[in-house]
Amino acid sequence: EDQVTQSPEALRLQEGESSSLNCSYTVSGLRGLFWYRQDPGKGPEFLFTLYSAGEEKEKERLKATLTKKESFLHITAPKPEDSATYLCAVMGNDMRFGAGTRLTVKP
Amino acid sequence: DADVTQTPRNRITKTGKRIMLECSQTKGHDRMYWYRQDPGLGLRLIYYSFDVKDINKGEISDGYSVSRQAQAKFSLSLESAIPNQTALYFCATSEFPGVRNTGELFFGEGSRLTVL
Repeated sequence: EDQVTQSPEALRLQEGESSSLNCSYTVSGLRGLFWYRQDPGKGPEFLFTLYSAGEEKEKERLKATLTKKESFLHITAPKPEDSATYLCAVMGNDMRFGAGTRLTVKP
Repeated sequence: DADVTQTPRNRITKTGKRIMLECSQTKGHDRMYWYRQDPGLGLRLIYYSFDVKDINKGEISDGYSVSRQAQAKFSLSLESAIPNQTALYFCATSEFPGVRNTGELFFGEGSRLTVL
């Protein structure tokens, strides 16, 4: 069965303190790994799709990387507006989501 | 206006009542989905539909039913609501994954359902 595990569950950073979020997965036939951002009271918003090991995508302070077993979302010099829950999902036979990492960035 | 609209946004009901959550979209996507979100469990797929005549069960379909009334409309029903169906429900749409798109999901803003 396809599974997605995200760690840590919650992460508190000071503004400017870089860190990484982890997404470990098992899937039969990976057709894509997705990262979404979710703000309180809102639906998730798409950030990145990665398809194969070694692939990287960047957007502002965020960079997503992919290996055969996990993906990392690196946050460089975060700002308070980066505070949100970050969701990882894998597409195998269907889209399976992890429980998310709740990121808080303090000024 | 939002591309994916869910109604109602909030609903409190009692055990045994029938509830319908509605979703409409203006993105022109064929694929529509219903997810529920619970703290610590993430998003779980209830039902999905790849076109008007196609309905498929997801990971947790028991206790739910759906209707795809048109390409733009997909509703979720709880025939007899129970307290463990208290959750945040999301409708989403997507295109068929292809060269021009990744098949990512576009979500509505959610419907919070409380069953007492």
